[in-house]
Amino acid sequence: RKEVEQDPGPFNVPEGATVAFNCTYSNSASQSFFWYRQDCRKEPKLLMSVYSSGNEDGRFTAQLNRASQYISLLIRDSKLSDSATYLCVVNAGANNLFFGTGTRLTVIP
Amino acid sequence: EAQVTQNPRYLITVTGKKLTVTCSQNMNHEYMSWYRQDPGLGLRQIYYSMNVEVTDKGDVPEGYKVSRKEKRNFPLILESPSPNQTSLYFCASSLVGTGEQYFGPGTRLTVT
Repeated sequence: RKEVEQDPGPFNVPEGATVAFNCTYSNSASQSFFWYRQDCRKEPKLLMSVYSSGNEDGRFTAQLNRASQYISLLIRDSKLSDSATYLCVVNAGANNLFFGTGTRLTVIP
Repeated sequence: EAQVTQNPRYLITVTGKKLTVTCSQNMNHEYMSWYRQDPGLGLRQIYYSMNVEVTDKGDVPEGYKVSRKEKRNFPLILESPSPNQTSLYFCASSLVGTGEQYFGPGTRLTVT
């Protein structure tokens, strides 16, 4: 079983739509959680950390459910510039990071 | 500007010819790591380093070596590259204890 699993998509949504991605992780002792964004042929960049209480950054909302071991990312009012691959990342401790394979999003005009 | 740099960005080589990919960061981070990214497999960790002279294996270390003689540099060495090491390689750095990693721009390696 993979440490982190994501639906690879692709998700094709119209501009202005709301889209949500989920990610599940297998290690119940995982300590911290992140969403990274990766544009085609570019390096991953941190989008946001995911806190137990949930957190919001503009149009982006991240949630953590420890009991069910999943993380979610919600994007509201999608923009063309949101088109990218979104990577779910789990820190199992001591910088031992596990990356999901990513969910590809395309926002259509 | 805070950054992680990698060189070369693109490399085509032949089986068995030793190569080194350099990685350097200017953020005084203790932690550095190498990943490879392959379609359908995502990012997989090759080696990581918690500080100078401290390195450890990640998930896919076979065929690779690293060294950490200085805090800012973490080169990846392929002593005898093989075609199954054709991949996109990323170096990353962070403070110890966080998952907030800064990635280099990537090195696309092709081994024929």
